[in-house]
Amino acid sequence: QVQLVQSGAEVKKPGASVKVSCKASGYTFTSYAIHWVRQAPGQRLEWMGWINAGRGHTRYSQKFQGRVTFTRDTSATTAYMELSSLRSEDTALYYCARDSRVIENSYLFDNWGQGTLVTVSS
Amino acid sequence: DIQMTQSPSSLSASVGDRVTITCRASQSINTYLNWYQQKSGKAPKLLIYTASNLQRGVPSRFSGSGSRTDFTLTISSLQLEDFATYYCQQTYSTSSITFGQGTRLEIK
Repeated sequence: QVQLVQSGAEVKKPGASVKVSCKASGYTFTSYAIHWVRQAPGQRLEWMGWINAGRGHTRYSQKFQGRVTFTRDTSATTAYMELSSLRSEDTALYYCARDSRVIENSYLFDNWGQGTLVTVSS
Repeated sequence: DIQMTQSPSSLSASVGDRVTITCRASQSINTYLNWYQQKSGKAPKLLIYTASNLQRGVPSRFSGSGSRTDFTLTISSLQLEDFATYYCQQTYSTSSITFGQGTRLEIK
């Protein structure tokens, strides 16, 4: 079955960077996009962008443009999200989620990782 | 960005009740509206896509309707496992996917 397993919780200081991994299994990794979505405490879900796991193309939400980088390692079937210049408002649960459609994005998220808590605190 | 507003923000209901949650978009999004269920401490789960299509494996007591700016999610007969938070999501503007603020469904 499809599984997305994320790396563990992180505590970072303001101004630092964090890199979260998302290990995929149970499907052809390169055939689907991976999206990143975050959820700050008590807040709504916030879409950050996606990476085409096959070609490596990326698209970022304007809010995060310049501060976030998505990469992937096809041999390891793992996607990564790196967020830099962290501030307290970035404290959130970060999810990776698989797009439901092969090759062409549908922006529907049919399988999710378990989430990675990133805490930004001095 | 397209703003998504859900109502109510929270709702108390009993097992067996019929429940309706509303989602309104700040501009027309055709039927590019999806619904997710999130249980406490868990990742969201896709329930309904393009306004009215039931995701595979989702019970038929869930249904969705609407178009343009106004949408509803209906649960025909609440079950204990349905108590959760529900989010709508618009996928009309693919440069900026946005979600509603959520509707928390609690046991009365």
